[in-house]
Amino acid sequence: EAGVAQSPRYKIIEKRQSVAFWCNPISGHATLYWYQQILGQGPKLLIQFQNNGVVDDSQLPKDRFSAERLKGVDSTLKIQPAKLEDSAVYLCASSFGAGVYEQYFGPGTRLTVT
Amino acid sequence: KNQVEQSPQSLIILEGKNCTLQCNYTVSPFSNLRWYKQDTGRGPVSLTIMTFSENTKSNGRYTATLDADTKQSSLHITASQLSDSASYICVVGPGTASKLTFGTGTRLQVTL
Repeated sequence: EAGVAQSPRYKIIEKRQSVAFWCNPISGHATLYWYQQILGQGPKLLIQFQNNGVVDDSQLPKDRFSAERLKGVDSTLKIQPAKLEDSAVYLCASSFGAGVYEQYFGPGTRLTVT
Repeated sequence: KNQVEQSPQSLIILEGKNCTLQCNYTVSPFSNLRWYKQDTGRGPVSLTIMTFSENTKSNGRYTATLDADTKQSSLHITASQLSDSASYICVVGPGTASKLTFGTGTRLQVTL
């Protein structure tokens, strides 16, 4: 089966610019996650969707980050305006459901903010 | 505060040797513990998921153990291969995926 797809793979922007990442989960997976992984650290959950509804966005910096999953399939994560500390890898993952289900990760988007 | 601590931070071993990675956690409530392998520049890939009732689970040359009483887990890699070079991340959860706590990983390098 096809895995989780993400694009772009790499992005370099200047601070205060905006950027958007796209994720297409595994077909049939109701739950979608966006993680931020700073170099040398484990992933940190930004937002979790169940179908097209938000389950948890408690760690999403809502003043600059937004995410949507309008049709319950693919999702976009946007940063506007970007800060230097947003430099990280943004990982998308999906699972059949919430709870103790396997999470499948995409390859990630490496963002560099200069 | 929920925490997952992994040791060692990094490890270098010769190809063909065995190694064991450690994970200690202070996560409550506890439901499951996962080990992921993350190659450089790639997303994490699941190796095992264990619930509190499981003591051990294997996936090929990878064997994870869990002691829920002492809140410790280990990942044993047998007959290491160059392709095992990666970061290994321990993740602990209460049953709700949004509350997973990730460790910072052990960086393993397998050399000739």
